[in-house]
Amino acid sequence: DAGVIQSPRHEVTEMGQEVTLRCKPISGHNSLFWYRQTMMRGLELLIYFNNNVPIDDSGMPEDRFSAKMPNASFSTLKIQPSEPRDSAVYFCASTLRVRTSGNHHPKNIQYFGAGTRLSVL
Amino acid sequence: AQKITQTQPGMFVQEKEAVTLDCTYDTSDQSYGLFWYKQPSSGEMIFLIYQGSYDEQNATEGRYSLNFQKARKSANLVISASQLGDSAMYFCAMREPETSGSRLTFGEGTQLTVNP
Repeated sequence: DAGVIQSPRHEVTEMGQEVTLRCKPISGHNSLFWYRQTMMRGLELLIYFNNNVPIDDSGMPEDRFSAKMPNASFSTLKIQPSEPRDSAVYFCASTLRVRTSGNHHPKNIQYFGAGTRLSVL
Repeated sequence: AQKITQTQPGMFVQEKEAVTLDCTYDTSDQSYGLFWYKQPSSGEMIFLIYQGSYDEQNATEGRYSLNFQKARKSANLVISASQLGDSAMYFCAMREPETSGSRLTFGEGTQLTVNP
């Protein structure tokens, strides 16, 4: 089975340009997450979707960042305009979210894509 | 708020020996999940092992086991019979209860180097 697919793997752009990162989650998964990894801040959640609906975007740094999930098999993370401090590795992850029942805590394992390494010059 | 602490920035182990990577967490929730991920130099994040807060047995997955001590709030990863391919960054993570969402909070990671 194909895992989470992200594109592009590497992106180099100039400050002020628009950047669009793409993600195809694992087929059948109903939750999708965008994370950012930097040396200074480690791995941090930007936004996540349940059933294509954004649930929590409190991690999105500022209005320059936006994310969409038009259908269950595709999501985008857009940065407009990009700045050098946006340089990072951006990960997309997906899971089949099962709700908790009593003391059963479902695994809901998040599977990550290979990431997009973004460099803004 | 939740917090994950990995106190070992770097660890070294000899090939074929066992190594323990430490992870402590802080939460007031009763229901939570603990995860370990591996990030090799190629950059991808690979899921290794999961432990639920209500699980009575320590999780095991092949050479990986999780030493879960709930009272101490620790979830250490044990890798047995280390291999050169185990050299990577290892992240401990915790997930909120389902009622609050599904976000993962990650520790800062431990860089493991396996020496031949």
